[in-house]
Amino acid sequence: GAVVSQHPSRVICKSGTSVKIECRSLDFQATTMFWYRQFPKKSLMLMATSNEGSKATYEQGVEKDKFLINHASLTLSTLTVTSAHPEDSSFYICSAAGTGNGETQYFGPGTRLLVL
Amino acid sequence: RKEVEQDPGPFNVPEGATVAFNCTYSNSASQSFFWYRQDCRKEPKLLMSVYSSGNEDGRFTAQLNRASQYISLLIRDSKLSDSATYLCVVIDTSGTYKYIFGTGTRLKVLA
Repeated sequence: GAVVSQHPSRVICKSGTSVKIECRSLDFQATTMFWYRQFPKKSLMLMATSNEGSKATYEQGVEKDKFLINHASLTLSTLTVTSAHPEDSSFYICSAAGTGNGETQYFGPGTRLLVL
Repeated sequence: RKEVEQDPGPFNVPEGATVAFNCTYSNSASQSFFWYRQDCRKEPKLLMSVYSSGNEDGRFTAQLNRASQYISLLIRDSKLSDSATYLCVVIDTSGTYKYIFGTGTRLKVLA
């Protein structure tokens, strides 16, 4: 149980385009989803916390207009990187926490974004 | 001082060795701790929770020392497949369930 999927697994796009990443909890309902980014050889950096039906809470330094998060249902959250630039190239990982034990997060397989 | 600190390693150990990692945390009110494992270019996977009384899962033992504010992970009889980065996680105490990650400790088990 506790499977989280992410789509796409990797994407290459041109500078200035927008990219949408989907995160789904497949076998449980996720009241909270988290979005992280990870640079090579660095740890995960939390970008935002997303609760179903409400606005996401962004961490300090993360631009909410650049990284749009929508958590429309208990099984789906999306992250849209708007007007992507090369410095947005990174590994984006989502996680989901269920309604039972809200503490344990289950991670999606990640999306590798390369902006040319 | 960082909220969660780990020795980045790498720890290079021979197969069959016992290896231990520590992770220190700065917030004495922290209550919940985990060890995750992350393979190269993959997502973190939950290895084990850390309980106050210590807990064991096969070759892995996790312990919590509240007085000194650290958690540890012991791996016995290391296998080649144990090679990975081990991430220490402390849950934020503000009620948001946010994870605070350490930078990770890299382990390489050598044949």
